Order: sequence, then C-alpha cells, then structure tokens
Amino acid sequence: DTGVSQDPRHKITKRGQNVTFRCDPISEHNRLYWYRQTLGQGPEFLTYFQNEAQLEKSRLLSDRFSAERPKGSFSTLEIQRTEQGDSAMYLCASSQVAGGGPYEQYFGPGTRLTVT
Amino acid sequence: LAKTTQPISMDSYEGQEVNITCSHNNIATNDYITWYQQFPSQGPRFIIQGYKTKVTNEVASLFIPADRKSSTLSLPRVSLSDTAVYYCLVGLNYGGSQGNLIFGKGTKLSVKP
Repeated sequence: DTGVSQDPRHKITKRGQNVTFRCDPISEHNRLYWYRQTLGQGPEFLTYFQNEAQLEKSRLLSDRFSAERPKGSFSTLEIQRTEQGDSAMYLCASSQVAGGGPYEQYFGPGTRLTVT
Repeated sequence: LAKTTQPISMDSYEGQEVNITCSHNNIATNDYITWYQQFPSQGPRFIIQGYKTKVTNEVASLFIPADRKSSTLSLPRVSLSDTAVYYCLVGLNYGGSQGNLIFGKGTKLSVKP
C-alpha cells in the first residue's frame, strides 16, 4: 500500500479558471475527507464521503467548490472561477471506519494551489 | 466540539525530552484526544491517541489526568527531525458521526543541535 496520493502536487492557475484535484485514498478505506490549509493555520475541514455518498458538504467554502467520489474509490475536488483567496494547500485524508471506536486519518501530501 | 489551546511555539535541544501540553476544558465524555505531527509541505501524520491515563507507543507518550481537561504529549530524546508542528485534537465522535478533525494552529517545535 502506497498510502494516500494526490495529483497534482502543485497547480498554478489564473484567476477565473477552473481547477480539479484528484485524491486516491488507501484502497480499503471507506471514508475520504478534504481539508484546506492556509499558511500558518491548521487544516480546515471541507467535506467528506462515506464510500460514494457525500455526507457533509455544508463546510465547503462556497458554491464554487464541489467534490465527487463516483465509485467510492478516488475523489475529485473542483474549484470553479478561482479567486486569489483560494490559494492554499488542499489535503485529502482517508480512514477505515467500522463500528465504534477511535480511528486515525491518513493524509496525502496535498495539492498546493496558487491563483495569480 | 471541544476547543483546544496549546502553546504556539517551543524550542528544545537534541536529546532532550519535550512535553507539549494542551488544554481542552470542554471535552465531552466520549471524546478521544489525538495528536498529529506535520512537516512543511506534507500532510499531518497521526502520532498517538488516548482517552484517559497514559498511552505509549514507539514514538511518544500521552498523559491524560483524571479530569481530562488537559493532555500532555511527551517526546523522548528529540532529534532535529522532530522539528515540526504538533496538533492536539479532541472532538472525535464515533458510531456514525462525520468524524472530521478540528485543527487549531498547533505548536511549532524547533529542535536545535
């Protein structure tokens, strides 16, 4: 198992353009999370999936943000009409949740977005 | 969800033991306490998790007093590679809740030679 992977690692785009990021979780994990991290701050939760169902999306920053996990495997995060304030590190994490009890989230390396 | 407070930064020297304390006065009965480590340009990495008393693994120990209103992460004999940001988190609810992590600003640990 190679862990959580994200692609691309870096993205530079011009304001107003759309961008899409991909996350491949650890294969047997049923939960997938997206976070955003700006400089000097801890990661900020955006949304999560349990298998293919998106169970929480009210924390997405605006309606320009959307996420999918079509077959319960990889996920994409899309930002439409990017703004300079969207510049940040976008992190994906996955976990295996079965029943109660504590569990850990495994994070990918992140995609660093720069909007010019 | 419980709010956490931890020092913004700490300095140490190689070989020393480092203790980072986190306060979480509003911790709920079913909340666990979890610590993550993050290096620059990398995602956070799980270090340790506990509910009460003491938990130890191969990299750290976690001390939790009886009232659970605080916790202390102990890193034995730190090295330069332990320089990172350390996050204390509480508020993981299990059994069907979303289980997202609530990060604060963390503690930036700088280990000097």
